[in-house]
Amino acid sequence: GGIITQTPKFLIGQEGQKLTLKCQQNFNHDTMYWYRQDSGKGLRLIYYSITENDLQKGDLSEGYDASREKKSSFSLTVTSAQKNEMAVFLCASSIWGETLYFGSGTRLTVL
Amino acid sequence: LAKTTQPPSMEAYEGQEVNVSCSHTNIATSEYIYWYRQVPHQGPQFIIQGYKDYVVNEVASLFISADRKLSTLSLPWVSLRDAAVYYCIVTGNPGNTRKLIFGLGTTLQVQP
Repeated sequence: GGIITQTPKFLIGQEGQKLTLKCQQNFNHDTMYWYRQDSGKGLRLIYYSITENDLQKGDLSEGYDASREKKSSFSLTVTSAQKNEMAVFLCASSIWGETLYFGSGTRLTVL
Repeated sequence: LAKTTQPPSMEAYEGQEVNVSCSHTNIATSEYIYWYRQVPHQGPQFIIQGYKDYVVNEVASLFISADRKLSTLSLPWVSLRDAAVYYCIVTGNPGNTRKLIFGLGTTLQVQP
């Protein structure tokens, strides 16, 4: 079996700060995803990548950048953190056409 | 993509069988039904998928109505560990997993 590792588990930032979240997978999956989960709301897709150096925008890409420099890693950058923002960012990976495997998430708090 | 409707919450006692329903009245012929669940402080985890009739695995079973507009996830003998949010998702052929849409799901509470 494999695992998805998200770092950091908790991230506290200041308003206007650029913040980077990292995700590593050892499944050797080609597709990776970043979702955002707010309290009381479902998961919303921010970015996904079907292969190394590929980036595809999801429904919530504004305010975020992503980077897929290696097959095993996918990074997400919050370009300017919003005051009082609180959310969980979930990374996932999959083989083409197969089910998604998720990490445990990074919990963001902006002061 | 077909929209799904699930009850927002359910309660059960340990040892009971739990059936979680999902309505997808606009499901297209190319779409499949997926179920995931999410426990606190974890990401969602795949449970089962199906296209029609009846599917069973070691964790759960999935019944899909003949017109495919309703599916029911069945969890036999639930335990406290089964307390989670259960998501029903309908999407195109399995090659379109990148378009999975997770709604609010059904929150299952399990009492001892």
